[in-house]
Amino acid sequence: DAGVIQSPRHEVTEMGQEVTLRCKLISGHNSLFWYRQTMMRGLELLIYFNNNVPIDDSGMPEDRFSAKMPNASFSTLKIQPSEPRDSAVYFCASSSGDRGRDTQYFGPGTRLTVL
Amino acid sequence: DQQVKQNSPSLSVQEGRISILNCDYTNSMFDYFLWYKKYPAEGPTFLISISSIKDKNEDGRFTVFLNKSAKHLSLHIVPSQPGDSAVYFCAASANSGGGADGLTFGKGTHLIIQP
Repeated sequence: DAGVIQSPRHEVTEMGQEVTLRCKLISGHNSLFWYRQTMMRGLELLIYFNNNVPIDDSGMPEDRFSAKMPNASFSTLKIQPSEPRDSAVYFCASSSGDRGRDTQYFGPGTRLTVL
Repeated sequence: DQQVKQNSPSLSVQEGRISILNCDYTNSMFDYFLWYKKYPAEGPTFLISISSIKDKNEDGRFTVFLNKSAKHLSLHIVPSQPGDSAVYFCAASANSGGGADGLTFGKGTHLIIQP
């Protein structure tokens, strides 16, 4: 199994541009989590889905951020418009999720820099 | 307000000795605790977990201890090996009653194993 796949690995963009981060879940997993890591705040949960349904988006910083699961194996996190304070490493993780305690497997992350 | 706290940003231990990483939490609803390990440019990887019904869980060189009354957990690594040098994150979750749960992470402790 290839594990959780994220693309791109690095993204450099200018303030005001739209940014789309992508994540492919491990085959057979049905829960998807987006996290963000910054020096100031560490690793924070942004949003998570069970069976394609968003369960908790209270960690999404503001309306500029949106996340979708167009199908059971794929998710996008979009920032529009982007701002320099969005610069961070964004991780997605997946789990089988059925029992609520299954291990979350993380992707390698996308390092986003907004100039 | 950080609900999971790792008060030591870094820890240096000699190879072969015991490494003890500490974590405190404030949310009484947390009932499941995990440790993740992270190397540079990679996503966190699951190491060991413990449910609130236990006070100890062991897996090879790794043991996690939970003191619910003190809201404190610790990870013991013995003996410490050079490959253990990494950032260790403490994480916690509260059972939402169905499906997977998002994790709340501490800011991490950078463990350095010296030869």
